[in-house]
Amino acid sequence: GAGVSQSPSNKVTEKGKDVELRCDPISGHTALYWYRQSLGQGLEFLIYFQGNSAPDKSGLPSDRFSAERTGGSVSTLTIQRTQQEDSAVYLCASSPNSRVQQETQYFGPGTRLLVL
Amino acid sequence: AQSVTQLGSHVSVSEGALVLLRCNYSSSVPPYLFWYVQYPNQGLQLLLKYTTGATLVKGINGFEAEFKKSETSFHLTKPSAHMSDAAEYFCAVSEGKNTGFQKLVFGTGTRLLVSP
Repeated sequence: GAGVSQSPSNKVTEKGKDVELRCDPISGHTALYWYRQSLGQGLEFLIYFQGNSAPDKSGLPSDRFSAERTGGSVSTLTIQRTQQEDSAVYLCASSPNSRVQQETQYFGPGTRLLVL
Repeated sequence: AQSVTQLGSHVSVSEGALVLLRCNYSSSVPPYLFWYVQYPNQGLQLLLKYTTGATLVKGINGFEAEFKKSETSFHLTKPSAHMSDAAEYFCAVSEGKNTGFQKLVFGTGTRLLVSP
């Protein structure tokens, strides 16, 4: 079946602009995760959704970052007033249920964001 | 908090040689451990995972890893490297038991280079 998809695959933006990154999880997966992969910080957890709710937003780097999920499916990560340090690969993953600790998370190909 | 240490940001082997990628973790509770592989411009793909039971875990592409509680290690091995194994490998621990949901904490990654 179809895996996790993300769009766009690449995004170049100017400092100060807003960007939206989209994630389509595997159908039926209730849990959705966002991670950021950058040279200086490695792979960092940002936020997760169980259904449409995001119980833990503590991984978001600043209040310029927000995320939502609608219909228990598609999620959008929004970065407002982008800064150069936001340049990174943003990875989305999904799993059947976030409360099952040993479940596999399935990752999308990522969105490569470059802020000029 | 749980953490993962991967010794060696780069490992070089010859084709046909043994592959050994090191991973040590810290956890106050029995961990769930994962190895993911990332090929260029792609997302992460699960190689194998340890949850409970047998400490020697076999994964895809001929890889295996052994959970050693006394050494807090989960090293990844493959008897004979293939050119197609060249990629970046990430070890991760699931921090779920302390947070109520499955949050993966990743090591900094090891890039495997395979020469002919």
